[in-house]
Amino acid sequence: GAVVSQHPSRVICKSGTSVKIECRSLDFQATTMFWYRQFPKQSLMLMATSNEGSKATYEQGVEKDKFLINHASLTLSTLTVTSAHPEDSSFYICSGARQSLSTDTQYFGPGTRLTVL
Amino acid sequence: AQKITQTQPGMFVQEKEAVTLDCTYDTSDQSYGLFWYKQPSSGEMIFLIYQGSYDEQNATEGRYSLNFQKARKSANLVISASQLGDSAMYFCAMREGITGGGNKLTFGTGTQLKVEL
Repeated sequence: GAVVSQHPSRVICKSGTSVKIECRSLDFQATTMFWYRQFPKQSLMLMATSNEGSKATYEQGVEKDKFLINHASLTLSTLTVTSAHPEDSSFYICSGARQSLSTDTQYFGPGTRLTVL
Repeated sequence: AQKITQTQPGMFVQEKEAVTLDCTYDTSDQSYGLFWYKQPSSGEMIFLIYQGSYDEQNATEGRYSLNFQKARKSANLVISASQLGDSAMYFCAMREGITGGGNKLTFGTGTQLKVEL
């Protein structure tokens, strides 16, 4: 199977600081990457979809100036939570998809738990 | 718009027994893909099984099988011979299009499965 890594796995930061989360596809080229947010005991909520080399498409209600997404290469996407506040504390999960014509599933990273104090 | 419904917030099953996790979906598309994922307490999303809307046979992967009833718009997951390691949250998801690995997934609310001795 295809492997996606995320870094860091856990981060604690002070309110007002920015946090960057990296998502890497280790053994395949991810033409599309997705960023999800998950609150405890809830489902995954898609935040944005990014294609390599183009701007991310954000879901309704997600602030694009707060959650900056960069998909710089076919193996790396980053999510930056700018001026984080306690309500941004959540579990953030990325996934990568191989090809637009593929029947493949998305391959998920292990997630990043963000705690904002 | 696509919608996934999982009506069982929690399920219990005894070790070695079979268990069925329910999933119904709503879509106006003719081409779509259905997925099941397992999320243990560690948070990673593990892909279990995939069913395409035109597949005539039910998908099977080891102890997992998908009971696909297209007319009823249901895609129930059957886990046979449950093991303690099967205790986790299970999510049903749908993707627009048979192919289109880069198309976004819509997730259900999940079912927490607990396997007991």
